[in-house]
Amino acid sequence: EVQILETGGGLVKPGGSLRLSCATSGFNFNDYFMNWVRQAPGKGLEWVAQIRNKNYNYATYYAESLEGRVTISRDDSKSSVYLQVSSLRAEDTAIYYCTRRGTTGFDYWGQGVMVTVSS
Amino acid sequence: DIQMTQSPASLSASLGETVTIECLASEDIYSNLAWYQQKPGKSPQLLIYYANSLNDGVPSRFSGSGSGTQYSLKINSLQSEDVSIYFCQQNYDSPDTFGAGTKLELK
Repeated sequence: EVQILETGGGLVKPGGSLRLSCATSGFNFNDYFMNWVRQAPGKGLEWVAQIRNKNYNYATYYAESLEGRVTISRDDSKSSVYLQVSSLRAEDTAIYYCTRRGTTGFDYWGQGVMVTVSS
Repeated sequence: DIQMTQSPASLSASLGETVTIECLASEDIYSNLAWYQQKPGKSPQLLIYYANSLNDGVPSRFSGSGSGTQYSLKINSLQSEDVSIYFCQQNYDSPDTFGAGTKLELK
């Protein structure tokens, strides 16, 4: 069974940083691109970042709105992916989802982790 | 980036009714279109891929169609458990962009 579990959310002051973790199991992690998608309260889905697998040299891509403030990374030995977000702003308040990118789309999602940016 | 325009933003329908949600891409995405269902308080789930292929376990009352830049999601015989937000997403070109979503409620 595919499982995806995000951790590391919480309340952060504006200007602060946060590192989100995503632990996965139940599939061959090495084969897949992994993504972070966020959803602000009452809003739609916003793709944040993607990291490809070793076959694609672990290439990374970021949403323009966040470029320069986010870094996605992965540890294939731990079947995990990470998202570092810095210079946090109120508008970064959202549920952050970790999701697997299969050939058909984002086929598995975690339950999400809440990040609240507030003083 | 490819822009996805989804309509309507919200929809109210009765049990048993048929509803249709539309999605327009800013350029040809060659049927690389997915639909997601997000039930209240839950993570999104893949519903349909390649514009018209149902994901495992998805009821047959859901169907997808379209090509080029225009796509639609149809729900036949609306059930109470279909109350959700529905999102389209193109996965033809990076980044995989989403539509703004359609909130489906019961009348």
